[in-house]
Amino acid sequence: GENVEQHPSTLSVQEGDSAVIKCTYSDSASNYFPWYKQELGKGPQLIIDIRSNVGEKKDQRIAVTLNKTAKHFSLHITETQPEDSAVYFCAARTNAGKSTFGDGTTLTVKP
Amino acid sequence: NAGVTQTPKFRILKIGQSMTLQCAQDMNHNYMYWYRQDPGMGLKLIYYSVGAGITDKGEVPNGYNVSRSTTEDFPLRLELAAPSQTSVYFCASTSTGREEKLFFGSGTQLSVL
Repeated sequence: GENVEQHPSTLSVQEGDSAVIKCTYSDSASNYFPWYKQELGKGPQLIIDIRSNVGEKKDQRIAVTLNKTAKHFSLHITETQPEDSAVYFCAARTNAGKSTFGDGTTLTVKP
Repeated sequence: NAGVTQTPKFRILKIGQSMTLQCAQDMNHNYMYWYRQDPGMGLKLIYYSVGAGITDKGEVPNGYNVSRSTTEDFPLRLELAAPSQTSVYFCASTSTGREEKLFFGSGTQLSVL
């Protein structure tokens, strides 16, 4: 089955700096890669997603890049703000429609 | 719109007890999902439904049951609770299917002692 590894498990940055979280996946048939943000005491919220036919997608300060050859995708957050502090999850979904989630990255943005 | 509503938010069960976790959505989504989240881990799919009257097993269905009598509601039943079922449970829904663009509820934290 699919295996998704997410790194780092914790990340601390200074306000205004950039943050990068990376996920690798094992199943080359995976074709959909979402990123979710989970604030304390709340459910995950979709922040950006990318399909396998696209290499990069951007939404304001957030971007996701996908390298199908290397089987990894990354979340980039620029000009970080304290409200970006949360746990971020990646996921990879195969053609069969089964998703595997990473273990999460706790991002702390220090003012 | 309230989105996806889960009740209760917290619950403590004794080993062997049963309970139902409630989930309701008001977005008219056909697809609904139940996940569990263990500490420091990603989400694992328990059960899902593609519409009223249709349910199917996910990755970790043992010890759980679901029903889908209406589009809005998707309750999760725990029978004979065990300590291994201590977790945070999330319900999610989507209009697109295939676990895309999920809307999540705020979760139920369950402890089995």
